[in-house]
Amino acid sequence: ETGVTQTPRHLVMGMTNKKSLKCEQHLGHNAMYWYKQSAKKPLELMFVYNFKEQTENNSVPSRFSPECPNSSHLFLHLHTLQPEDSALYLCASSQDMQGPGDNEQFFGPGTRLTVL
Amino acid sequence: AQKVTQAQTEISVVEKEDVTLDCVYETRDTTYYLFWYKQPPSGELVFLIRRNSFDEQNEISGRYSWNFQKSTSSFNFTITASQVVDSAVYFCALKNNQGGKLIFGQGTELSVKP
Repeated sequence: ETGVTQTPRHLVMGMTNKKSLKCEQHLGHNAMYWYKQSAKKPLELMFVYNFKEQTENNSVPSRFSPECPNSSHLFLHLHTLQPEDSALYLCASSQDMQGPGDNEQFFGPGTRLTVL
Repeated sequence: AQKVTQAQTEISVVEKEDVTLDCVYETRDTTYYLFWYKQPPSGELVFLIRRNSFDEQNEISGRYSWNFQKSTSSFNFTITASQVVDSAVYFCALKNNQGGKLIFGQGTELSVKP
C-alpha cells in the first residue's frame, strides 16, 4: 500500500449505530487531518493531529470523536449521527505542521457516509 | 482573514477546447502558499501544484499551466486541449507560512464532453 488509505470506502449507518472510520498513511508524515465534504459545500477541516497530538478541533460536534494512536493511523469514531452528517469524509497527511507552509497535503480516497 | 474564491461553480466544455479555472484569494500574510487539487469522481484529491508568494513565474506542465498574479491576488489554472479525463472538481487552496491550515475554495466542477 502506498499513499493514504481509508476504510471503509462506503458506510451506511443508522442514527443509533456506532462506527469508526480508519485512515492510514504510508508516507512517513507526522500530521494527519480529517475533512468533511458535503454536497455543494467546500471542504471543512474537522481535526488536525501533529505528532499524535490534536492541534485543532474546528468546533466539531462531540458525536465525532477522533483518535490518533500513532503518526500513521487516524480514526474517526462516530455515534448517534444525524442525517445531515451524511458526507464524504476525507483523510489527509502532510510532513508536519511546524515547518514552512509549503508542505502539501496528500489525501485518501474518502469514506462516503450515509446516515439513515 | 484568509479566503479563497472560485467564482465558477460549473464549467462545461467540449473536448479539445482550452479552459481556464479562476481562483482569487485574500490574505494579509506576505508569505503564503497556493495550491491546486483535482478531485475526480473517485473522490481522492490529487495534488497538482504549489506556488509560494515570492515566485510569480508562470508554470507549465504538459497541458496544464498556472498564472499567478499578486497584483490581482489571482492564481488561475488553464487546461489546454481539454480531454474527457480532465472532468473533475478542481480546488484552489491557500496556506500561510506558520504551518496553518489549508483554506479551500468552493471548487469548480469541470465537465469535458466528447
